[in-house]
Amino acid sequence: NAGVTQTPKFRILKIGQSMTLQCTQDMNHNYMYWYRQDPGMGLKLIYYSVGAGITDKGEVPNGYNVSRSTTEDFPLRLELAAPSQTSVYFCASSYSYATEAFFGQGTRLTVV
Amino acid sequence: KNEVEQSPQNLTAQEGEFITINCSYSVGISALHWLQQHPGGGIVSLFMLSSGKKKHGRLIATINIQEKHSSLHITASHPRDSAVYICAATVSFKAAGNKLTFGGGTRVLVKP
Repeated sequence: NAGVTQTPKFRILKIGQSMTLQCTQDMNHNYMYWYRQDPGMGLKLIYYSVGAGITDKGEVPNGYNVSRSTTEDFPLRLELAAPSQTSVYFCASSYSYATEAFFGQGTRLTVV
Repeated sequence: KNEVEQSPQNLTAQEGEFITINCSYSVGISALHWLQQHPGGGIVSLFMLSSGKKKHGRLIATINIQEKHSSLHITASHPRDSAVYICAATVSFKAAGNKLTFGGGTRVLVKP
């Protein structure tokens, strides 16, 4: 099993550019999450999904959008990149809210 | 005040020493997770517990629900245990979802 796969691993964006961070899981998990991790800070929830077609905002959703058209995929879209979005992004999934969470390897994004 | 607090923030130990990392939380939770993050690497789930104690190899996790406190112990520490250890609590988030709330992490360095 591949688990949770994120792409790309690294990316440099210019201010105002757009990009999509891809996340896919092959464990048939209902719950999927996007977090960002800033240096020295805990992970913050950006968006989450409890199943295909259902998404909701987390603590820091501004500047991001998501979609969940399939159980497997949960892409994160940055429309107008800003330096404040420089961070490491993690996608995670779990079968339910109180089961073990599996994390992707992370995407290191720099906006210049 | 964060809902999940970890201590210490940094810890240096000599190989073979017993290590304890503490986690306190201020909200009702359904589960408590301990995660490990290696430098430049992804995040791996070590334990998920809602009561009592769990053991895996040299790692032991305990939780006291009444005191809202959990500890992660590393026995006979080894340089390969050097990593950031993160405590996270599954808390209710809005009516329909649940989310992980993360502590700030404890950076552990084990010297040979």
